[in-house]
Amino acid sequence: TQLLEQSPQFLSIQEGENLTVYCNSSSVFSSLQWYRQEPGEGPVLLVTVVTGGEVKKLKRLTFQFGDARKDSSLHITAAQPGDTGLYLCAGAGNAGNNRKLIWGLGTSLAVNP
Amino acid sequence: GAVVSQHPSRVICKSGTSVKIECRSLDFQATTMFWYRQFPKQSLMLMATSNEGSKATYEQGVEKDKFLINHASLTLSTLTVTSAHPEDSSFYICSARSGGVWGPLNYGYTFGSGTRLTVV
Repeated sequence: TQLLEQSPQFLSIQEGENLTVYCNSSSVFSSLQWYRQEPGEGPVLLVTVVTGGEVKKLKRLTFQFGDARKDSSLHITAAQPGDTGLYLCAGAGNAGNNRKLIWGLGTSLAVNP
Repeated sequence: GAVVSQHPSRVICKSGTSVKIECRSLDFQATTMFWYRQFPKQSLMLMATSNEGSKATYEQGVEKDKFLINHASLTLSTLTVTSAHPEDSSFYICSARSGGVWGPLNYGYTFGSGTRLTVV
């Protein structure tokens, strides 16, 4: 069974601080996705990482995929109140399994002004 | 881009009644549809996976007779919560993926905007 451990589960920081969210697994994923979700809405895809060691940047967000494709991190620089939300990582499962996503538990981020 | 329209966004129903939630892919063919349940500030819990024209595959612990899934066409999938009870109150989300070659364009899964179900 593939599992994805995400930490921290809750995070409350002040505006301007930096933070990192981690997703770790003992399994190899063909790709890993990061989503952000607002209350009452569906998740919105932020980025997909595919290649081991890959780094992608989205403005103040930096995403890394581990060399072995078992872990990933999301780093936010100079967080702003608009970054508040639930961040979810999800790994693509094995081929032939309808490519269902394996989800982390989520990180609820609150950025205080 | 790909869009999945989910309706209704909110529904309140009486205990014992049934509720149907629809998800339509507006500009692509949804070969596979995933149905999730989510509690506040928690992650998504996969309930079932359906492929067009086939019976849905339910995750362990999900009652297939209570949560009826129909995926009769490539653009429409429905989830019916039968004989709803207060413990079924939750946020339900669908997610669609198109078929074809597993290439860069297929990495993303398109999500509906969710349905808040309240059973009173």
